[in-house]
Amino acid sequence: EAGVTQFPSHSVIEKGQTVTLRCDPISGHDNLYWYRRVMGKEIKFLLHFVKESKQDESGMPNNRFLAERTGGTYSTLKVQPAELEDSGVYFCASSQDARQEAFFGQGTRLTVV
Amino acid sequence: GENVEQHPSTLSVQEGDSAVIKCTYSDSASNYFPWYKQELGKGPQLIIDIRSNVGEKKDQRIAVTLNKTAKHFSLHITETQPEDSAVYFCAADTGFQKLVFGTGTRLLVSP
Repeated sequence: EAGVTQFPSHSVIEKGQTVTLRCDPISGHDNLYWYRRVMGKEIKFLLHFVKESKQDESGMPNNRFLAERTGGTYSTLKVQPAELEDSGVYFCASSQDARQEAFFGQGTRLTVV
Repeated sequence: GENVEQHPSTLSVQEGDSAVIKCTYSDSASNYFPWYKQELGKGPQLIIDIRSNVGEKKDQRIAVTLNKTAKHFSLHITETQPEDSAVYFCAADTGFQKLVFGTGTRLLVSP
């Protein structure tokens, strides 16, 4: 069974540009989460989808970040326009049930220069 | 909201020694405490977890202890091996996998 897959693995963009990260969860997992680790600090929660609905987006830093999960399958996280402080590793995770283990993808390392 | 502190930030041990990583949390409503191992180029992988109705859980060479009164929990790795080298994260959760992570511990096991 395929795990959680994230694309791209690395992205380097200039300040002010737009970047879209993609996450393909494990098939059949209704719950999808985005997390971010900035500058070697703790991994921080961004938001939680249940199917195509945003269950909790309390961790989204500001309105430059837009997450979508059309059709309840894969999800995208768009940053527009990107700022230097957005650099970090963005992780996606999925779980079948919100009270079960969440499986993480390998992450997308975003560098804004 | 919940805050999780993790110590130490780095830990170097000799192969065969034990390693202990400690975390404290602030929200008494947290009831689920997973530990993740992150190897280079990979995402965090769950290695063990404990719920608030249990004080200790063991899985081969790894164990986790939880002290609800003191609000701290620890990861114990015995008979460490070079392949245990990685970054370890503790986390706390009040439910629904909205995890609050510690800052991570880089463990280096030297042969």
